[in-house]
Amino acid sequence: DGGITQSPKYLFRKEGQNVTLSCEQNLNHDAMYWYRQDPGQGLRLIYYSQIVNDFQKGDIAEGYSVSREKKESFPLTVTSAQKNPTAFYLCASSAWTEINQPQHFGDGTRLSIL
Amino acid sequence: RKEVEQDPGPFNVPEGATVAFNCTYSNSASQSFFWYRQDCRKEPKLLMSVYSSGNEDGRFTAQLNRASQYISLLIRDSKLSDSATYLCVVSRYSTLTFGKGTMLLVSP
Repeated sequence: DGGITQSPKYLFRKEGQNVTLSCEQNLNHDAMYWYRQDPGQGLRLIYYSQIVNDFQKGDIAEGYSVSREKKESFPLTVTSAQKNPTAFYLCASSAWTEINQPQHFGDGTRLSIL
Repeated sequence: RKEVEQDPGPFNVPEGATVAFNCTYSNSASQSFFWYRQDCRKEPKLLMSVYSSGNEDGRFTAQLNRASQYISLLIRDSKLSDSATYLCVVSRYSTLTFGKGTMLLVSP
């Protein structure tokens, strides 16, 4: 069954702690993306990656880090520097071979502060 | 001016009604356009792409006016299951910019 899998579904972070959100896709998509959504707000781009071992900052990258060691995987680390991490985090992917392909989303991770 | 602007709604309509949503975007270099649907506390799902000539998918019709930088979505014969937030999305070089969404509530 092809798709994008995010885990965990819910995550709680303690003060000063780094946490990592997982995103895996088996769609053979080149590009992967991380977004954050706050209540009543649009999605905001955190980081994106078009190829393995390369990624770019989005609009709100501060306090986050990513890696892209494998095509299928694009984990997001929310560091202790991110002072307001409570949000709905969404991972997406798209075929990069043609520009402007629509993105397809995982079912998200809800992060809260303990 | 915000990059992608939508009326947040909610639009309250009875079943069977026709409803239209509009969206404006600020970047004239935008290349592709989409409508996504997002149910409460769920991920966005692609509803349809929007083409310059206009396009239809069942009860849904999307239109694009590049000169006015305006996108629309028309839903005919509304169903209860159409209740959701509809996100207008604009793309340039494969990065997407999302509107905040328009909420639709369809009642019996």
